[in-house]
Amino acid sequence: QLVLTQSPSASASLGASVKLTCTLSSGHSSYAIAWHQQQPEKGPRYLMILSTDGSHTKGDGIPDRFSGSSSGAERYLSISSLQSEDEADYYCQTWGTGIQVFGGGTKLTVL
Amino acid sequence: EVQVVESGGGLVQPGRSLRLSCTTSGFTFGDYAMSWVRQAPGKGLEWVGFIRSKIYGGAIEYAASVKGRFTISRDDSKSIAYLQMDSLKTEDTAVYYCARDKLGGNPDGYYYYYMDVWGKGTTVTVSS
Repeated sequence: QLVLTQSPSASASLGASVKLTCTLSSGHSSYAIAWHQQQPEKGPRYLMILSTDGSHTKGDGIPDRFSGSSSGAERYLSISSLQSEDEADYYCQTWGTGIQVFGGGTKLTVL
Repeated sequence: EVQVVESGGGLVQPGRSLRLSCTTSGFTFGDYAMSWVRQAPGKGLEWVGFIRSKIYGGAIEYAASVKGRFTISRDDSKSIAYLQMDSLKTEDTAVYYCARDKLGGNPDGYYYYYMDVWGKGTTVTVSS
């Protein structure tokens, strides 16, 4: 069964860096995933598509502070120079045969 | 500018029906698959369903939680996707988002869809 696992919460200080993790279930470690950001009271926003080799393509207007990387079944979203507007929920999403799957989301708090 | 705008939400009684629309602009609608995603109050994102472009046969897939009750369709001449919701339940209460699906893939034949443009959502409340 295709499942994406994310930690429920993360925190980091203003100006610091953070790395969020999305883990693909067994047997699906080569899958590409997308990262989406949802700021409070807003709709989701596409950040990037991230492949198993770590190559990624960001959406229009996504700052260079956002980057992606991969290792095995893990997909990472790194954010540097954290700003207050980065406080949001972050979801990973992937595609299986005939279905789309979301991770449970990580709530990022900027201290 | 690429835009996706949902409409049609509202308050509806359990067991009744509602149709949501997803009006798009700024891109060739017929070239893309479209997804519906919902978010119950205080919860995460839940995929509802998906309709491929007619280029890829126009096939439709649904999440198990809505299969048999919800119907997705598209009108390429109007650049609109629809979500027909029948036999609504209180647990269908959510903000419903429409998203454009982009097709990606590798030379070895692996392909995937991912949502690259989102709307702001429309709220559906199912309550007596």
